[in-house]
Amino acid sequence: KQEVTQIPAALSVPEGENLVLNCSFTDSAIYNLQWFRQDPGKGLTSLLLIQSSQREQTSGRLNASLDKSSGRSTLYIAASQPGDSATYLCGLTTDSWGKLQFGAGTQVVVTP
Amino acid sequence: SQTIHQWPATLVQPVGSPLSLECTVEGTSNPNLYWYRQAAGRGLQLLFYSVGIGQISSEVPQNLSASRPQDRQFILSSKKLLLSDSGFYLCAWYPGGRATGELFFGEGSRLTVL
Repeated sequence: KQEVTQIPAALSVPEGENLVLNCSFTDSAIYNLQWFRQDPGKGLTSLLLIQSSQREQTSGRLNASLDKSSGRSTLYIAASQPGDSATYLCGLTTDSWGKLQFGAGTQVVVTP
Repeated sequence: SQTIHQWPATLVQPVGSPLSLECTVEGTSNPNLYWYRQAAGRGLQLLFYSVGIGQISSEVPQNLSASRPQDRQFILSSKKLLLSDSGFYLCAWYPGGRATGELFFGEGSRLTVL
C-alpha cells in the first residue's frame, strides 16, 4: 500500500533563504506527482505537476524534482518571500484516473 | 478557461440533519470529478470520484453519498449528519479520460456539525 510522507511538518525560515520541501513515497510505481499550496481556510492551488517519465519541472522560483527509484520528490523555492507562507502538499497518483493520495503537508512560515 | 465552483462555502448543521454540497465545473466537458475531505489532523482523504454522469465510485465506507446528475455537476449528500462528518470538503476536477493533466481544486466548503 502506497504511503506518502512529508517531513518536516513545519518549517520557519527568514526571508531570502531557499526552501527545500520533501515528499517521500513507498511505492515507486507512480503515475504522476503534483505539488500544491494551501493558504489557511482555502482550497489547493496547483504549483507543479511531474509526470512519471520526467525528473523535474520548473516554474519561476519553483523547481520540483522526482526520483522514483529512491521514492522521493523535492520542491525547491528560491529566495523565499513572506507571501510564500502556506502549507505545501504533495499528492501522487498510481494510475491514470487522477486519484491523488496526499502527504500531510509542510507548513511554511517565511519571516520578514 | 476552466473554473470550478463550490457552495456553500461555510455551513453549520445539527447532528441528524441532511447535507447537500454542490460543485460545478465550467469550461470543460466530460471531466473526472472528485470529493475530498480534509479533517483536522487527518490530511486529505478521497471520498468519491466520478468518470461520467451517474458513475460514482466510493473510496471509503461512510455516512455520505455522491451523485453526478449532469456532466459538470457533482453533489455530496448525507441523509443524517454525524459529528464525525465535520471537516473541509474539497471538490476537484481532472481532464476526462486517461489524461495526464493536473488536478484542480475548488475553494472548499467548511462543514461544522454540532
